[in-house]
Amino acid sequence: DAGVIQSPRHEVTEMGQEVTLRCKPISGHDYLFWYRQTMMRGLELLIYFNNNVPIDDSGMPEDRFSAKMPNASFSTLKIQPSEPRDSAVYFCASSPRENEQFFGPGTRLTVL
Amino acid sequence: ILNVEQSPQSLHVQEGDSTNFTCSFPSSNFYALHWYRWETAKSPEALFVMTLNGDEKKKGRISATLNTKEGYSYLYIKGSQPEDSATYLCAFRGGATNKLIFGTGTLLAVQP
Repeated sequence: DAGVIQSPRHEVTEMGQEVTLRCKPISGHDYLFWYRQTMMRGLELLIYFNNNVPIDDSGMPEDRFSAKMPNASFSTLKIQPSEPRDSAVYFCASSPRENEQFFGPGTRLTVL
Repeated sequence: ILNVEQSPQSLHVQEGDSTNFTCSFPSSNFYALHWYRWETAKSPEALFVMTLNGDEKKKGRISATLNTKEGYSYLYIKGSQPEDSATYLCAFRGGATNKLIFGTGTLLAVQP
């Protein structure tokens, strides 16, 4: 298995632009998680899905952030419009049922 | 607000030393405690998922214990090697949610 796949691995954009991060979970995993990692706040959960349904989005910072999971093998995290304070590493993780989470390689986002 | 705290924040040891660090978490509404190993420029990798008070888990030279009544877990590394250098994260899961609350990690540096 290829593990959790994220794209792009690096994204540099200008303030105000729309950013879309993509994730392909491990096949057969029921749960998908989006995390953000910053120096100030560490690793924080943004949103998670169970069987493609968003369960807890309390970590999504504001309306500029949205996440979708149209099917079991794909999810997106969108930021529109992006701001410099959104610069961080965004991780996607998946897990089978309620077990350990498997993390993707992350997307390093820089908003200028 | 749920607090998951790890100590120390960082640790420098010599190759061959044994070491341990602590994760403190809420003692109420406990469901599981996860340990992850996070190497620089990589993604977090699951070490243990612990659910029962008194649990002890072991993987090679790394082991962990769990005390849910007092809300702490210890991670031990026996005979540290340079390849053990990483950040060790714990994450608390409470109640019926699948949401993990991560600590800020302990950065371990093992010098040859």
